[in-house]
Amino acid sequence: GAGVSQTPSNKVTEKGKYVELRCDPISGHTALYWYRQSLGQGPEFLIYFQGTGAADDSGLPNDRFFAVRPEGSVSTLKIQRTERGDSAVYLCASSLGSGAGANVLTFGAGSRLTVL
Amino acid sequence: AQSVTQLGSHVSVSEGALVLLRCNYSSSVPPYLFWYVQYPNQGLQLLLKYTSAATLVKGINGFEAEFKKSETSFHLTKPSAHMSDAAEYFCAVTPHSTLTFGKGTMLLVSP
Repeated sequence: GAGVSQTPSNKVTEKGKYVELRCDPISGHTALYWYRQSLGQGPEFLIYFQGTGAADDSGLPNDRFFAVRPEGSVSTLKIQRTERGDSAVYLCASSLGSGAGANVLTFGAGSRLTVL
Repeated sequence: AQSVTQLGSHVSVSEGALVLLRCNYSSSVPPYLFWYVQYPNQGLQLLLKYTSAATLVKGINGFEAEFKKSETSFHLTKPSAHMSDAAEYFCAVTPHSTLTFGKGTMLLVSP
């Protein structure tokens, strides 16, 4: 597609439920990033994929968070046993090559997660 | 490790006035530096990027930023604000692979 597509745009769930957020990167982009943006804060890095593998998952806050990119294109961020503190906008970005320094990241509009 | 500090969570200017948004960084290696803009309900959009080719970087919509190593700063400026510039602006830094963002500065433009 023309841009990075994220679905759903809005998700409301109850505490303790499981949630999946999907990211469709720009076609041909090999690198994919997930960020989380809480109210009043800048985006916070979660995980970065180069192809199918996670090149850096140091930003995942705990083992309730997991992300996959099985075919090197679409990625899914999975959150188990959601907590109210997980409420945030989850941003996905992709780039043509690896490394945010040498390549321009294109961001999606985000998925707003609200945990009641 | 790298970090970014943006001074002022909100900056208010009048239309036609100079825009100055401040960003200071820390990085253990020579950094790449970025400014992104975020309009309501939209994704982050790249304004400009510093890659060491030139200390004064020109971006889209009339914005520019100057890299000052001695001050570890990368402030964003625009000579004359437009109403359409009202948005949130984020400074970001990376040595190589992933971006670290500041907390953002909301730019308010009044007529």
